Amino acid sequence: QKEVEQDPGPLSVPEGAIVSLNCTYSNSAFQYFMWYRQYSRKGPELLMYTYSSGNKEDGRFTAQVDKSSKYISLFIRDSQPSDSATYLCAMEAGGYNKLIFGAGTRLAVHP
Amino acid sequence: GAVVSQHPSRVICKSGTSVKIECRSLDFQATTMFWYRQFPKKSLMLMATSNEGSKATYEQGVEKDKFLINHASLTLSTLTVTSAHPEDSSFYICSARETPVNEQYFGPGTRLTVT
Repeated sequence: QKEVEQDPGPLSVPEGAIVSLNCTYSNSAFQYFMWYRQYSRKGPELLMYTYSSGNKEDGRFTAQVDKSSKYISLFIRDSQPSDSATYLCAMEAGGYNKLIFGAGTRLAVHP
Repeated sequence: GAVVSQHPSRVICKSGTSVKIECRSLDFQATTMFWYRQFPKKSLMLMATSNEGSKATYEQGVEKDKFLINHASLTLSTLTVTSAHPEDSSFYICSARETPVNEQYFGPGTRLTVT
């Protein structure tokens, strides 16, 4: 079993839809949770960074962490074609350990 | 947000030659930088962790004599692929951790093609 599970998709939605992206994990030591967006042939861009459980909102993006269920989510409201990219979840146990990445979910938002 | 640059963005080299890739944190100091490799439509694979002023820590299966890492300053780490072969062709991405916070920022990547 992988430490972090993420459905690779692809996920195709119409413009304006609400997108839900998810990851599950097995290591209860993870405390820091991140979502990165990666466009084709580019480096990942940090979208959201959360510590422990709870919600965090930034514009059209909302990150949720449920440590009791070992489940994290990223919601994108009013999705745009420019949101078409691969979204990677990542997590870390803390103490400056290495990031553990999910496989990445490819999202396509069509006009 | 913090900015990390990489140079070159793409490089083509002949088999048997060495290639150096630079990773710089432009507006923050990074005591720790990471080097990843990414194959098409795959997630990132951590190759090594680089700490300023000390030897890099390599992940299992990564040849340290082939992938030389130097982290000489708080803003610069270099990855040298020695005696490159076609199977080394890949997308190499670095990241830098902004201390003392935990956030990790990625460079734009370097596409290496070995002919």
